[in-house]
This record gives sequence, C-alpha cells and structure tokens, in this order.
Amino acid sequence: ELKVEQNPLFLSMQEGKNYTIYCNYSTTSDRLYWYRQDPGKSLESLFVLLSNGAVKQEGRLMASLDTKARLSTLHITAAVHDLSATYFCAGPFETSGSRLTFGEGTQLTVNP
Amino acid sequence: DAGVIQSPRHEVTEMGQEVTLRCKPISGHDYLFWYRQTMMRGLELLIYFNNNVPIDDSGMPEDRFSAKMPNASFSTLKIQPSEPRDSAVYFCASSLGPGSRAAFFGQGTRLTVV
Repeated sequence: ELKVEQNPLFLSMQEGKNYTIYCNYSTTSDRLYWYRQDPGKSLESLFVLLSNGAVKQEGRLMASLDTKARLSTLHITAAVHDLSATYFCAGPFETSGSRLTFGEGTQLTVNP
Repeated sequence: DAGVIQSPRHEVTEMGQEVTLRCKPISGHDYLFWYRQTMMRGLELLIYFNNNVPIDDSGMPEDRFSAKMPNASFSTLKIQPSEPRDSAVYFCASSLGPGSRAAFFGQGTRLTVV
C-alpha cells in the first residue's frame, strides 16, 4: 500500500527559529514536489525536485530529496509569520509520472 | 496567462441534484487533473487527462461522477445525483508535460450538498 507520510502534521514555532518538515514515502519515485496552501486558498507550487540529491532554496525555505531513503525534507530558516500555511509533499509514485499522491499536509503556524 | 480558471467558486445544492464543475486549464498545458480535498481524506486525485483523453479515472469515487474534456481549453466534472458526502473543495490543475514541471492549481470550487 502506498503511503506518503509527513511529519509533523502540526507545527507551531516562534519567529526566528529553524525547523524541518519530513516527507517519507513507501515506494520508489524519482521526483518530489512541495506545495503551499493558505487557508481557504489554492495550492501553490514551491519546489520540484527531479533527482536524488536535489536541493532547492527559495528565501527561507530549502527542500531536498533522497530517493534512496525515500525521504524529502523542507527546512525552514529563521521563520517569519508569513510562512504560516499548510505544506504538502507529493510524488508521482508510479511509472506514469503523472499521477500525484499527496501527503497529509503539515500545518505550520509561526508565532510572533 | 490568468492561470487555471474554475467555476463556480462556490456551489450549494440539494441532495439529488446534478452539479457541474468547470475548468479552463492554462493555455498550452497538455495535462489536466481533477482533485478533491476534504478534511477526512485530504487531497485525492479523481481523474486526469492527457491531450484531452482520460488516462486514469481510478480515483473517481463511483458512477455518479463523470468528467469530460471536449477540447484543450475546457473540462467538466459532473456529479449526478449529488449526495451530502460529496461536499468538498474540488480543484482542477494543469501542467505541461508528464511531471518535470509542477502542476498549477485553480482556486477550487467549494461544493456543499445539503
């Protein structure tokens, strides 16, 4: 059974702190996506990781992919309130490469 | 480009009625996806199209759900008859290519079946 597990599901942190969100998946995939969703809004693409060892950074967010460990991380550096949102990882865990399966999401709250 | 456009943004309907959700993908994108989001089940892929052809509809919950893509710029998701458990936010997304680029999501249709 395919599983995409994010950890933690809820994260409350102080501004200025660092933290990492983990995304584990149970079957092979050569790519991984991270999305952000604000309450009541749509999903916004953050990162597309296309190979083992891929690392991408945008502002205070950095994502990485380890396909051998079936693990992706989203690291938050010096969090600010504007980063409060729900973050999803997703992967095409099939040979077709088109059908995305999403994790449960990590609801991040950054407190002033 | 205006992005993926969905209509209506909100729909409230009575149980048993037919509901049609509409989506206009980003011009030039060859993949179109319909997702459903609920608190209990998270984000679920219902169906996706490639070049207007349905490729995988295994996520469609039951025969009450149907989706069409008559041309590259329009898709519909129909529920007939609707039931309260169909209440959810339905997202349409489109992408260029099979997966090297991210999919772009529409604003969603919040469906409430009473």
